[in-house]
Amino acid sequence: AQKVTQAQTEISVVEKEDVTLDCVYETRDTTYYLFWYKQPPSGELVFLIRRNSFDEQNEISGRYSWNFQKSTSSFNFTITASQVVDSAVYFCALSVVTGNQFYFGTGTSLTVIP
Amino acid sequence: GAGVSQSPRYKVAKRGQDVALRCDPISGHVSLFWYQQALGQGPEFLTYFQNEAQLDKSGLPSDRFFAERPEGSVSTLKIQRTQQEDSAVYLCASSSRVSGGTDTQYFGPGTRLTVL
Repeated sequence: AQKVTQAQTEISVVEKEDVTLDCVYETRDTTYYLFWYKQPPSGELVFLIRRNSFDEQNEISGRYSWNFQKSTSSFNFTITASQVVDSAVYFCALSVVTGNQFYFGTGTSLTVIP
Repeated sequence: GAGVSQSPRYKVAKRGQDVALRCDPISGHVSLFWYQQALGQGPEFLTYFQNEAQLDKSGLPSDRFFAERPEGSVSTLKIQRTQQEDSAVYLCASSSRVSGGTDTQYFGPGTRLTVL
């Protein structure tokens, strides 16, 4: 069975602080994909990144960076110099080649205080 | 280009009523997914279409839930005899490839269903 755990329910940071959102996943499949989505108050899930299980290189996109570690089954997301516009719920998701769905965590609600 | 659109955005139903929720995927996307998102939770899979074929309906919670995509484009999720526990946001997503759930899925804004 597949499972994603986002242990941080809510995080508040002051603007310009760095913040890391944790994601731990479980799967027995050797080929899988990991995703992060942002859900602002409007409700639409916005795609941020997709990573396959064979690519452990960390990735940076502007103020966003992702740290994928298979040894700890984690795919953490860091926002550098946070901004008020980063306030949203962030979801980590897992999919496997043998399946047809995404498995989502319960989300982390991030509030950036000006 | 246009993203995934869903209608209506909000729906209030009295317990026992039937509802129909519509999803317009991104043009040309062959895969279409429906998810249910309860308040404070992550989305949970309901069903998956590849073109007009419903290949996976393992997530549908009961036989009151029915989905179709007759021409391989627009999809409708129908809930019969709605119950209060059906209150949730229903999200539709589409992806460009036939690779099931491993391709990036692009989500619509959702339909918030409230059953009184």
